Amino acid sequence: AAGVIQSPRHLIKEKRETATLKCYPIPRHDTVYWYQQGPGQDPQFLISFYEKMQSDKGSIPDRFSAQQFSDYHSELNMSSLELGDSALYFCASSFRDSYNYGYTFGSGTRLTVV
Amino acid sequence: ELKVEQNPLFLSMQEGKNYTIYCNYSTTSDRLYWYRQDPGKSLESLFVLLSNGAVKQEGRLMASLDTKARLSTLHITAAVHDLSATYFCAVEETSGSRLTFGEGTQLTVNP
Repeated sequence: AAGVIQSPRHLIKEKRETATLKCYPIPRHDTVYWYQQGPGQDPQFLISFYEKMQSDKGSIPDRFSAQQFSDYHSELNMSSLELGDSALYFCASSFRDSYNYGYTFGSGTRLTVV
Repeated sequence: ELKVEQNPLFLSMQEGKNYTIYCNYSTTSDRLYWYRQDPGKSLESLFVLLSNGAVKQEGRLMASLDTKARLSTLHITAAVHDLSATYFCAVEETSGSRLTFGEGTQLTVNP
């Protein structure tokens, strides 16, 4: 079965650089979520999109932005990177149907800022 | 603001023993998830609990949900080393909304 695809798997950037993370949800899933997981921490919600519109926003820094495109893939853009942005970034997708449930997480992108 | 608390945060147990991980949450919800995460890996879905009194079992793991008490449990029976991982519970306030995770329980099963 198709899963949530994230790219790249690993990314090393220097401080003040920019990074773009990509997420390809499961086909027919209409909602995409982004989470950030710092070392030894639980995943923290950043932002979500439902049918290509932003549906919810969590603790996402102003330096970050995201969007969902017409083919439903999503990108998380991160600018002016800081050391503290080093984390695992997960994308998840779901189908917003009351008789369906569950989120599928991608393998994550490990971002290291040096 | 929804808060989700797990305990214990660290659990070291011997193979063959039983133990329970607890997940408390602060608001009404009838949708709770359990995930397993190996170091540096993704979140693997274990259980989805959608109603009060829901109980699900898979192998040596059993999860239950009491929405009135706002409590879920993950029971481990006769632990084996392969169960060593971090286990997260996560609560979904409404269908399709964000997940709020507990802090995670780092389980180590010793031979």
